[in-house]
Amino acid sequence: DGGITQSPKYLFRKEGQNVTLSCEQNLNHDAMYWYRQDPGQGLRLIYYSQIVNDFQKGDIAEGYSVSREKKESFPLTVTSAQKNPTAFYLCAAGRTDTQYFGPGTRLTVL
Amino acid sequence: AQTVTQSQPEMSVQEAETVTLSCTYDTSESDYYLFWYKQPPSRQMILVIRQEAYKQQNATENRFSVNFQKAAKSFSLKISDSQLGDAAMYFCAYRSSLTQGGSEKLVFGKGTKLTVNP
Repeated sequence: DGGITQSPKYLFRKEGQNVTLSCEQNLNHDAMYWYRQDPGQGLRLIYYSQIVNDFQKGDIAEGYSVSREKKESFPLTVTSAQKNPTAFYLCAAGRTDTQYFGPGTRLTVL
Repeated sequence: AQTVTQSQPEMSVQEAETVTLSCTYDTSESDYYLFWYKQPPSRQMILVIRQEAYKQQNATENRFSVNFQKAAKSFSLKISDSQLGDAAMYFCAYRSSLTQGGSEKLVFGKGTKLTVNP
């Protein structure tokens, strides 16, 4: 959905570094989500937020952190505690039943 | 916990013909939503079609339609008049109904890679 932007498109990280992935939406949706996609797999939920200043862990939250200071923004930090961070990361925003996705960020650990 | 299974890792279809992608799911809930998402080589997930479980009528969106069999827990996607631009990974996804206190997350299958031959 053109109303969700993610940056950067490609990100390279050295081991031991924290990196932050950006997600912004102008759809005025309350809920935002972060998913991880590995080769040959569907998406798995990392974190989600239903309202500003509140968020919940998903299925694979270990090694990740998020913040939700503004309705439009939901950045994801991949910390050095994440043991295998190389993956494709997708942000989504949604209303009550349907989620719409951004273009994604490809993170590679060198 | 809910699970979604796509039993066809790869499918192919001739341009202008019809193809059906299969999806089954497991749940004990009575109210939920089902989705088909398309992921082209750009890797952005694009919503193709959605179905609300309490609606018996199958959803349609132009050339895309579903065959929703609630008792069988089956949710197949039919693509008619296939076009080269339909080539992509297709993911089936499940979401609980929030009114029943379900989870917000989407549960995805592993996907079906669709090739369209000219």
